[in-house]
Amino acid sequence: AQSVTQPDIHITVSEGASLELRCNYSYGATPYLFWYVQSPGQGLQLLLKYFSGDTLVQGIKGFEAEFKRSQSSFNLRKPSVHWSDAAEYFCAVAPLYNFNKFYFGSGTKLNVKP
Amino acid sequence: EAGVVQSPRYKIIEKKQPVAFWCNPISGHNTLYWYRQNLGQGPELLIRYENEEAVDDSQLPKDRFSAERLKGVDSTLKIQPAELGDSAVYLCASSPQAEVNTGELFFGEGSRLTVL
Repeated sequence: AQSVTQPDIHITVSEGASLELRCNYSYGATPYLFWYVQSPGQGLQLLLKYFSGDTLVQGIKGFEAEFKRSQSSFNLRKPSVHWSDAAEYFCAVAPLYNFNKFYFGSGTKLNVKP
Repeated sequence: EAGVVQSPRYKIIEKKQPVAFWCNPISGHNTLYWYRQNLGQGPELLIRYENEEAVDDSQLPKDRFSAERLKGVDSTLKIQPAELGDSAVYLCASSPQAEVNTGELFFGEGSRLTVL
């Protein structure tokens, strides 16, 4: 069965520090991979996605993610966190050629210390 | 361009009462989704529409939940009667037709339901 695991429920980092949010997936084949962000009181917004090709993908707001097939991982990174990055982050997968079957992880809530 | 609009933003009801949520997707998006997000969890699909047709409702609890998308534009999700376990945020999302779909879902701000 498909599953998406985000092992960290909460993470706190200091402003200006680097960030890495973990995501592991279980799937029959390499799926499409996504990261979404949900700011308080807001809907989910797409940060970045991976379909194929270069395993390091760039997204909005200075985020990037690296796909590692051998580890079934798609970790999200940012070199320097800003206070406005405080939000909840969701990793999601969708099967190849079917964008309509999204499976979301349970999310990682990011707190940013001043 | 207006985003996905949902209403109401918040709703508090007592158990066994009915409740309805409304969603207006982005103009031109033919696919509409209803997701439920329980506290501390990621969104889970309830139903997906392609135009006015419900093409995936396998996760919709049909004994108490119903949805419609008349004319293939806005949609309503209804719960009758509500149970305590229905407390959650109900998210609506839309996406364009397959030919121009880049995999991005566009979400509304959600409707937070509290059942007492």
